[in-house]
Amino acid sequence: AQKVTQAQTEISVVEKEDVTLDCVYETRDTTYYLFWYKQPPSGELVFLIRRNSFDEQNEISGRYSWNFQKSTSSFNFTITASQVVDSAVYFCALSEASGGGADGLTFGKGTHLIIQP
Amino acid sequence: EAQVTQNPRYLITVTGKKLTVTCSQNMNHEYMSWYRQDPGLGLRQIYYSMNVEVTDKGDVPEGYKVSRKEKRNFPLILESPSPNQTSLYFCASSLSGSNQPQHFGDGTRLSIL
Repeated sequence: AQKVTQAQTEISVVEKEDVTLDCVYETRDTTYYLFWYKQPPSGELVFLIRRNSFDEQNEISGRYSWNFQKSTSSFNFTITASQVVDSAVYFCALSEASGGGADGLTFGKGTHLIIQP
Repeated sequence: EAQVTQNPRYLITVTGKKLTVTCSQNMNHEYMSWYRQDPGLGLRQIYYSMNVEVTDKGDVPEGYKVSRKEKRNFPLILESPSPNQTSLYFCASSLSGSNQPQHFGDGTRLSIL
């Protein structure tokens, strides 16, 4: 069964610090998809990134970067020079491809990131 | 505007009184799903649907029903709500499956007394 672990329940940093959110996953499939979503205090869920299991290239988008390592089953998310607007709950999620995308989506429990001014 | 619309946004009701939370998307998406969010537990999938008349159980389906009679609508039905179903509920849709980015509704906060 698929599983996503976000061991950091809450992280608090001062603005402009770099911060990394950890995500470790378990799956028996060789083909799978990993996601990060952001939930700001207003409550909506916002898609950030999708990565498939065959693409281990790291990705950078502005201050955000993602490090995917199959060897350690991790898909970590780093925010560089954090800002108060980055304060949110961040969820990592996993979709297995065995059902051709017809399966469910498993989320981690989320990491509450607090950026202090 | 592309969106997933849930109604109601907030509801306080009593144990045993049947309720339906509606969900509609205007993006012609094949895949729709329901999640509940509880403190310390993250998001857990209740049901999902790959297409019209095709629904499957997620991780926490007990006490819920769904239907997919039309592509755009995916209502969540609580036939006999109980207090342990008090939660924040999200509907989501995607182009073709759970392996695609999900578009989420704004959420429905249910309180079952």
